[in-house]
Amino acid sequence: AAGVIQSPRHLIKEKRETATLKCYPIPRHDTVYWYQQGPGQDPQFLISFYEKMQSDKGSIPDRFSAQQFSDYHSELNMSSLELGDSALYFCASSPWDSRSDTQYFGPGTRLTVL
Amino acid sequence: DAKTTQPTSMDCAEGRAANLPCNHSTISGNEYVYWYRQIHSQGPQYIIHGLKNNETNEMASLIITEDRKSSTLILPHATLRDTAVYYCIVRPTGNQFYFGTGTSLTVIP
Repeated sequence: AAGVIQSPRHLIKEKRETATLKCYPIPRHDTVYWYQQGPGQDPQFLISFYEKMQSDKGSIPDRFSAQQFSDYHSELNMSSLELGDSALYFCASSPWDSRSDTQYFGPGTRLTVL
Repeated sequence: DAKTTQPTSMDCAEGRAANLPCNHSTISGNEYVYWYRQIHSQGPQYIIHGLKNNETNEMASLIITEDRKSSTLILPHATLRDTAVYYCIVRPTGNQFYFGTGTSLTVIP
């Protein structure tokens, strides 16, 4: 079965640079979630989109922005990178279902800021 | 904020059933109980979820108490590949997951 695709899988940036992470949801999934997992920490919710509109917002820094496109893929844009932004970034997708909307996670992008 | 309490770590012998408890005493009527696991640095993997009835799938069983204040995830025959951090999450539909600290399960040969 098709899974969530994230690219790139690994990314190395310098401080103050910008980075763009991409997420391609499972086909027919219209909701996308972004999570950040720092070293030794649990995943923390950043932001979500439903039908190309922001649906919820968590602990996302102002330096970060995201959007969902007409084909439902999503991009997380990160500017003025800091050392503390080094983390695993997971994208998850789900179908919108009023009964339960299980999130399916991608393999993640490992961002290293030097 | 996480609304669940799980033991920090557990061991289980290979081939035996692994029973992972979770307390969610403040769960609301419309909140589902989800279980995910994360094998080192991989994306969290969905295991099972339920509202109030017990559930079973090819991976595990979920037992929810009648008052819904706690649940148990059962892996019937644990293998070494089941070694992972297991997260119990409660949430209403449409909201993000709060993962909490999870239970680190080690399956011992």
